[in-house]
Amino acid sequence: ETGVTQTPRHLVMGMTNKKSLKCEQHLGHNAMYWYKQSAKKPLELMFVYNFKEQTENNSVPSRFSPECPNSSHLFLHLHTLQPEDSALYLCASSQPGGSVAGELFFGEGSRLTVL
Amino acid sequence: GESVGLHLPTLSVQEGDNSIINCAYSNSASDYFIWYKQESGKGPQFIIDIRSNMDKRQGQRVTVLLNKTVKHLSLQIAATQPGDSAVYFCAENPSGNTGKLIFGQGTTLQVKP
Repeated sequence: ETGVTQTPRHLVMGMTNKKSLKCEQHLGHNAMYWYKQSAKKPLELMFVYNFKEQTENNSVPSRFSPECPNSSHLFLHLHTLQPEDSALYLCASSQPGGSVAGELFFGEGSRLTVL
Repeated sequence: GESVGLHLPTLSVQEGDNSIINCAYSNSASDYFIWYKQESGKGPQFIIDIRSNMDKRQGQRVTVLLNKTVKHLSLQIAATQPGDSAVYFCAENPSGNTGKLIFGQGTTLQVKP
């Protein structure tokens, strides 16, 4: 139990579907992140939110739409995805200015398959 | 550009032996480095970290070594156990006190009984 919970753990969707991934952290952190993990590739940072404000969009296509209603919750809305978007999507949180600079606490990921 | 890499995609060791996993980074400005362990079906978990003003840091059965001259990072695991089997990632933080980490590709550690 890392304190970061992601749902659903597995998702299969067609290219025309709309779905959302949810992340919730119980660590009292103020920064939340979405990372994409594809096979044979390093983890790729997608979005960063600090105190509910988006501070980073790492050139992510608009078919991925993040939402951060508060510091504990983060969503990733998915629309008209492509098969190459199939990957493990990892949510993480951290405490800016904390004693361990930059340490990320990850959830267990949502495994997405786009048909 | 910035990149963090690992020398070997897979490392196979005998149970009880020591393991050494290597990582090369390219950003000289990075001041903080982390090793993560990812078991099958789980998210990455923090193992140990080191700041750029140190060259060695020890944890429980793990040691991280940092050589800034050649931009090299290594993770040493003493008396490797079957539970150590996982993918290990190094990551660098080039941007100060934030979580915007740059990850390497990972080394899969296989422990033979």
